[in-house]
Amino acid sequence: AQSVTQLGSHVSVSEGALVLLRCNYSSSVPPYLFWYVQYPNQGLQLLLKYTSAATLVKGINGFEAEFKKSETSFHLTKPSAHMSDAAEYFCAVSDRASGGYNKLIFGAGTRLAVHP
Amino acid sequence: EAGVTQSPTHLIKTRGQQATLRCSPISGHTSVYWYQQALGLGLQFLLWYDEGEERNRGNFPPRFSGRQFPNYSSELNVNALELEDSALYLCASSYRQPNEKLFFGSGTQLSVL
Repeated sequence: AQSVTQLGSHVSVSEGALVLLRCNYSSSVPPYLFWYVQYPNQGLQLLLKYTSAATLVKGINGFEAEFKKSETSFHLTKPSAHMSDAAEYFCAVSDRASGGYNKLIFGAGTRLAVHP
Repeated sequence: EAGVTQSPTHLIKTRGQQATLRCSPISGHTSVYWYQQALGLGLQFLLWYDEGEERNRGNFPPRFSGRQFPNYSSELNVNALELEDSALYLCASSYRQPNEKLFFGSGTQLSVL
């Protein structure tokens, strides 16, 4: 069965510092992986997705993530944090093994705080 | 193009009552997904509908049910409400084909008193 673990429920960085949000996955089939962002009182917005093409995936708002099969990881990074990046971030894996098509299994989320 | 719309935005009920939440997918999307986002618990998959049929169900009791209408809109019904049902309920839609991204609505905040 597919699952996702996000290390660190809260991450705090200074404006301009590197953002690193960690995600490890478990999957019985080659995974499709996603990062979503949720701003306060809003739904989720797709940041980027990995679907077995290039292992380094670039997304919106300057975020990128690298798929590392040997480490079963899909960490999200951004070189320089901005105040507007403060939000909750969710890593997800597509439930392909159960024929779930686009059904996603989400991690518990990481709340990112950016301070001046 | 209109996004995924959910109504109502907020819903207050008491224990034992029933709640009905509604979702309109993006035009052209046939799949609708429901997720529960309870405080501190992340997003838990509830239900997946496609072409009017329930295709997959998460680990929730039978009092959580729903349906999808011919226009692909969907309802989520929660019977015999319990306090722990208080959560943000998110609806998402996508095309039927695999590897299609989900588009999420802003959710319905259900409070059970």
